[in-house]
Amino acid sequence: GAGVSQTPSNKVTEKGKYVELRCDPISGHTALYWYRQSLGQGPEFLIYFQGTGAADDSGLPNDRFFAVRPEGSVSTLKIQRTERGDSAVYLCASSPWASGLANEQFFGPGTRLTVL
Amino acid sequence: AQSVAQPEDQVNVAEGNPLTVKCTYSVSGNPYLFWYVQYPNRGLQFLLKYITGDNLVKGSYGFEAEFNKSQTSFHLKKPSALVSDSALYFCAPYTDKLIFGTGTRLQVFP
Repeated sequence: GAGVSQTPSNKVTEKGKYVELRCDPISGHTALYWYRQSLGQGPEFLIYFQGTGAADDSGLPNDRFFAVRPEGSVSTLKIQRTERGDSAVYLCASSPWASGLANEQFFGPGTRLTVL
Repeated sequence: AQSVAQPEDQVNVAEGNPLTVKCTYSVSGNPYLFWYVQYPNRGLQFLLKYITGDNLVKGSYGFEAEFNKSQTSFHLKKPSALVSDSALYFCAPYTDKLIFGTGTRLQVFP
C-alpha cells in the first residue's frame, strides 16, 4: 500500500517568505508527527496530532511555525517569515495508534527546505 | 535534560564480520527504545524496538539489539554484515515522544 507522502520534495524560498509543507499519512493512521532534521543531526520532534487536534506542540521552535490537520488526515506545516536557520529537511510520520502505545512510526521521504 | 548518545559518527566493517552500533541514553523513567535506519534518498525505516521482557530484541534484516538497564545502553548488532546494510542508523528512546540521536553511519566494505 501507499506510504507516507510529502510535497513538495524540495522547496527553495527567500528569507521572509511564507511556506507550506504538506504531509499525506498512511490511510487510517490516527497519529501524525512532524520532525525537523538539520544537516548532520537526528530528527527533532516538532508536533504530534492525534486525529484533528495537536496533542503535543512542545517542539515548535517559535510562533512562526504552525501546523494543522483539519480533517484528521492530511496535515500542513506552515512557516511564516522564514529565516535561513529554518533550512532543513522536514519529516512527517504517521502511526496507527496513539503515541502513548509507542507504536512504530512510518516516515515520509521528507521535504528539503532551503531559505536563501 | 533527556539525551541520547551515539558516540561513533561512523562505523566501518568488512562484509561478513559482526557489527555493533552503540547507543546510550539519559531519559527519565523506563523508556521504550527504538532503532531506525535511513538509506540514501529514502525515508527513515523502523528496525526494532524494546518494550519489556527479554533484553535481546530481534528486528528486521537480521539486526538485533541488546538492552542493558544498568548501563542505560541499547546497542545495535548484527552477526554478519552485508554491503547493503550501509546506511545511517538512529537510536531513539521514547517517553512521550521519540528522541533521536545524531546517528551513526555504517559503512560495510566488500
